[in-house]
Amino acid sequence: SQQGEEDPQALSIQEGENATMNCSYKTSINNLQWYRQNSGRGLVHLILIRSNEREKHSGRLRVTLDTSKKSSSLLITASRAADTASYFCATDSNYQLIWGAGTKLIIKP
Amino acid sequence: EAGVVQSPRYKIIEKKQPVAFWCNPISGHNTLYWYLQNLGQGPELLIRYENEEAVDDSQLPKDRFSAERLKGVDSTLKIQPAELGDSAVYLCASSTGPGTSYEQYFGPGTRLTVT
Repeated sequence: SQQGEEDPQALSIQEGENATMNCSYKTSINNLQWYRQNSGRGLVHLILIRSNEREKHSGRLRVTLDTSKKSSSLLITASRAADTASYFCATDSNYQLIWGAGTKLIIKP
Repeated sequence: EAGVVQSPRYKIIEKKQPVAFWCNPISGHNTLYWYLQNLGQGPELLIRYENEEAVDDSQLPKDRFSAERLKGVDSTLKIQPAELGDSAVYLCASSTGPGTSYEQYFGPGTRLTVT
């Protein structure tokens, strides 16, 4: 069963705009990770945020975590064509990562 | 630093045939994972190794799937016999430590098509 669920399933925006995708999960977590997958580079780790953290930044990426709402969001600012990919959140459960189905992001030129 | 290496990248076989996938993790990574990914879905864990020990194989269909990690380095995942429903991408990943506090590094995957 999938612990995390991303929303929306698909998102199409113009280059330069910001993209926000959300992840909701069911049970308490120790940490949450975001990954990106595209055909060129496969699955790549983006950010890990721990349950006692509320926000983390990495370049143009900002991740927030609200443990009271059991949700996380990934914001990509000033999107580029290279950001076109599927984005997955993965939460921990019984020492393994449980993955959502991902948000498919398309950046239009 | 070399990444996770997987071979073959693509494999097409007929149902009931055997197939094997190979993975070489990043040097020094003691934890190795095999995942299955269906189209439009996230990865699903099949088995996790800590060194040469399979510490979580609860989701591995043991009637037809087997895996080994001799000497705690590279690993092989086998399916015998393959079924049509096994068509998917098989991903190998490694990490520096156990548990979910470590980022996982993924290989390019093996796309299996069973006809």
